[in-house]
Amino acid sequence: KAGVTQTPRYLIKTRGQQVTLSCSPISGHRSVSWYQQTPGQGLQFLFEYFSETQRNKGNFPGRFSGRQFSNSRSEMNVSTLELGDSALYLCASSQEADRALNTEAFFGQGTRLTVV
Amino acid sequence: LAKTTQPISMDSYEGQEVNITCSHNNIATNDYITWYQQFPSQGPRFIIQGYKTKVTNEVASLFIPADRKSSTLSLPRVSLSDTAVYYCLVEGNTPLVFGKGTRLSVIA
Repeated sequence: KAGVTQTPRYLIKTRGQQVTLSCSPISGHRSVSWYQQTPGQGLQFLFEYFSETQRNKGNFPGRFSGRQFSNSRSEMNVSTLELGDSALYLCASSQEADRALNTEAFFGQGTRLTVV
Repeated sequence: LAKTTQPISMDSYEGQEVNITCSHNNIATNDYITWYQQFPSQGPRFIIQGYKTKVTNEVASLFIPADRKSSTLSLPRVSLSDTAVYYCLVEGNTPLVFGKGTRLSVIA
């Protein structure tokens, strides 16, 4: 069973540009969450999607957005990049057929974004 | 959201048992306690999850007292490859919230 796949693995962008990151969840998983990890702030929750609907959103500016497709694949977009957006962006998927059940989250290896 | 508190770092020698304790005083009735492990430049990996008493799998044990206000992750006979950051999370009907974690360094 393939794991969570994130592309690209590494990315270098210039300030002011925009970027799109992709996440393919484990087959059958309908929930996808995104996290930003930096040395100073640690792992911070960005947003969560379930069946193409954004279910939760973290405390990030509107420059950060995402979406989920009918096949559960997800993308996140960051517009007008700033130096502080340099981070490891992680995607996690879980089955979550029932929100009341606690299910294991599987993380991808992340996309390392460097803004110069 | 329940907040967790765990030591920032720990050192251990190879072959020793390591116990990492996490405090979660405001845990709710429906919350589970979950531990994740993260190596540098990789995503976190699920280790173990429990609700109460003791849970054991092939990797670790999780001890949860009756009041559930704390939990202890026990790693038996650690090796150098167990050097990583360990996160304690309290999961309910909310997204995963990661604290700073405990940086475990295993020394030969």
